[in-house]
Amino acid sequence: GAGVSQSPSNKVTEKGKDVELRCDPISGHTALYWYRQSLGQGLEFLIYFQGNSAPDKSGLPSDRFSAERTGGSVSTLTIQRTQQEDSAVYLCASSLSGGGFDEQFFGPGTRLTVL
Amino acid sequence: AQRVTQPEKLLSVFKGAPVELKCNYSYSGSPELFWYVQYSRQRLQLLLRHISRESIKGFTADLNKGETSFHLKKPFAQEEDSAMYYCALNTNAGKSTFGDGTTLTVKP
Repeated sequence: GAGVSQSPSNKVTEKGKDVELRCDPISGHTALYWYRQSLGQGLEFLIYFQGNSAPDKSGLPSDRFSAERTGGSVSTLTIQRTQQEDSAVYLCASSLSGGGFDEQFFGPGTRLTVL
Repeated sequence: AQRVTQPEKLLSVFKGAPVELKCNYSYSGSPELFWYVQYSRQRLQLLLRHISRESIKGFTADLNKGETSFHLKKPFAQEEDSAMYYCALNTNAGKSTFGDGTTLTVKP
């Protein structure tokens, strides 16, 4: 079956604009994660969904960042009033149930460049 | 709060030499630990998890609770092992914490 997909693959935007990043998890996976990978940095956890609810939003860097998930499937990460420091690769992953033993399956990422 | 530390950003070895990528963690509960790998121009993917106690592509990792470590080892490195390696810790609450990653280069 299809893996995790993300769109767009690349996004260039101007400082101050809003952007939306989309993630399509593997069908049947109830857990969905968003991460940020900055140049030379590791993976920074942003948010985790179990179904449509987000029990852990602690990683969102500021109130400019928000995410939602609908129908237990597609998720959208929105960044408002983008800043240059938001430039990074945004990765989405899904897992079957979100339990501690579960493997995460990653998407190809969206590379965001804020000019 | 949990934390994962990979002390080496870069690691370079010659083909056929042993390799060890270090990972230390801090977590008050019982951790679930993983190694993920990202080959050039490919997605991040699971390499192995401690619960499985398996060897994948010749790599093994042992969870040492006393030293809070989960180092990744391979006795004879191959050029195709060159990649970025991430150690990760999962909690039962679903939160994942990744280390900063180690870039392994295996020279011919």
